[in-house]
Amino acid sequence: NAGVTQTPKFQVLKTGQSMTLQCAQDMNHEYMSWYRQDPGMGLRLIHYSVGAGITDQGEVPNGYNVSRSTTEDFPLRLLSAAPSQTSVYFCASSYAGQGVYEQYFGPGTRLTVT
Amino acid sequence: AQSVTQPDIHITVSEGASLELRCNYSYGATPYLFWYVQSPGQGLQLLLKYFSGDTLVQGIKGFEAEFKRSQSSFNLRKPSVHWSDAAEYFCAVGRAGANNLFFGTGTRLTVIP
Repeated sequence: NAGVTQTPKFQVLKTGQSMTLQCAQDMNHEYMSWYRQDPGMGLRLIHYSVGAGITDQGEVPNGYNVSRSTTEDFPLRLLSAAPSQTSVYFCASSYAGQGVYEQYFGPGTRLTVT
Repeated sequence: AQSVTQPDIHITVSEGASLELRCNYSYGATPYLFWYVQSPGQGLQLLLKYFSGDTLVQGIKGFEAEFKRSQSSFNLRKPSVHWSDAAEYFCAVGRAGANNLFFGTGTRLTVIP
């Protein structure tokens, strides 16, 4: 049981380049989300999904796209990277429903945009 | 709207001393509260959570937290800090039926020998 995995661990992009951050979980969790972590700002929600085929925007969605074609995978796409997107990105997953469930976090991807 | 305030950006304590990290939340209904810890270069690990019931909750690594509705607080405590507790600590609030969590800005803990 690997939990939540993220690839790559580190990435450097030039302004304007595109890339996809990968996230996968093997816990059969319905809910998955992406956060970015910036110094002094904690974690902010980018996008989330409550199941395959369902996604929604979080607090800071601009510049990012997501899709959820399977329960296991929730990739985050940067269409045209900007220096403001330099950050550490965390993927998380949990059960969904009327309860409140613990979120499990991946190890993070450190992205630098030059 | 939900929000979380962690008023202390950085705290330094001596090894063996007690610790209290503050967390205040803003939420109209019954909040669901979490404390996570992040070691350098690592992801976030859940320390403890409060959903309902006993307002004093025990977590891993000897941590505990107390929910005080009247003060809108959920402070994290440990009676004796170990050098391995040096990390960043995040308080978060959520609600039933909505999986999204709102995080505070974090408190960085330094432990000196």
